[in-house]
Order: sequence, then structure tokens, then C-alpha cells
Amino acid sequence: QQQVKQSPQSLIVQKGGIPIINCAYENTAFDYFPWYQQFPGKGPALLIAIRPDVSEKKEGRFTISFNKSAKQFSLHIMDSQPGDSATYFCAAVSNRDDKIIFGKGTRLHILP
Amino acid sequence: KAGVTQTPRYLIKTRGQQVTLSCSPISGHRSVSWYQQTPGQGLQFLFEYFSETQRNKGNFPGRFSGRQFSNSRSEMNVSTLELGDSALYLCASSLVGTGVNEQFFGPGTRLTVL
Repeated sequence: QQQVKQSPQSLIVQKGGIPIINCAYENTAFDYFPWYQQFPGKGPALLIAIRPDVSEKKEGRFTISFNKSAKQFSLHIMDSQPGDSATYFCAAVSNRDDKIIFGKGTRLHILP
Repeated sequence: KAGVTQTPRYLIKTRGQQVTLSCSPISGHRSVSWYQQTPGQGLQFLFEYFSETQRNKGNFPGRFSGRQFSNSRSEMNVSTLELGDSALYLCASSLVGTGVNEQFFGPGTRLTVL
């Protein structure tokens, strides 16, 4: 069964720290890896995404690191702020099958 | 540009009843996907509709069904509700499909089954 394993389930970090959320996948057919951010009462919103032909992508304070051989990818948030407190979901997309599988989410809390 | 809208936002039903949820995608988007979100299971894919046809389906029982209209609006129906169906139901729209085209999520419908 296709799976995306996300860890940790929850994370508490001091303001200014660098929270790191990890995801691992099994199916090599996945070819696009987005991260979504969800605030309470809202639907998830696309934060940043990466294709497997690059090892790192940065957008503002958010960075994805991608390890194709290990089938792992992670989200780093630089200089984290209380406003970054949200639930983060990683996902893996197979364009061949037009399917998306989500991780179970990480609840991140940034202490002021 | 208006975002994805879902109605109703909150719903309370009892076991055995049936429910219909509605989703209006972003104008011009032809693909609508439905997800069930629960604390224990995260986001689980229900199905995707494109041009009024179901193109993909997740691993949910036949009690869960959907349809898409010619204006791309979509409805999801759950029959014979069970307690375990209590969840946030999210709809997402995209131009073409669930692939690299960005999916835009609505705020969800919170369904509580008593």
C-alpha cells in the first residue's frame, strides 16, 4: 500500500528556532512532493513543493531537503515565528497515476 | 478571484441518516477532489472528479459517493451514516488534476454524527 510516513506528530519550538519535519515514502513512482500548511478552521494551503531532480529548495524561511536514494524529504523553517504555529502536511504525488498521498500531519507550536 | 467554497460549514446528523455536502471550485478549475480529515488518520483521499466523471477513487466504502455538474460544482453524499464518519470533509479544486497543478482547498465541512 502506498504510504507517506511523517514525523514527529507534534513539535514545540522556541521562537527563532528551526523546526524540522520529516517524511518518508515507499513508492518510486512519486514525482512531486508538496508541503501544505493548515491553520485552525481553514483548509490546507500549498506552502512549498519540490521535484526529485533537485536536493533542496528554498522559499523565504521555508526549505525542503530531498534525499532521493533514501526516499526521504524534510521541511525546515528558519527563524520560526509564533505565526508559523499550524499543522503541516507533507504529500507525495504520482503524476503517472494522478494520485496524491498525504502524511498524517505535524502540529507545530512556536513559543513566543 | 473567489476561493473554493463549501456548504454547509457545520452539520450534525444521527446514525443511519444520509448527508450531502457541496463544493464550488475556483472559477475555471475543472478538477474537484474530496478528502476526509480526522485526527487519527490525517487527510484521506475520497475521490476526484474531472469534467463530470469520477477519475480517481480512494479506499472508502460505497456509502460515500459524489458527482460533478457541468459547471464543475461538486456534491458528496454519505448514506447510512456511522459514528466513525464524523470528520472534516475538505474539497480541493485544481485546473486539471491532483498532480503538479496546485490544489486549492476549501475551509471544509465539519460533520458530526451522533
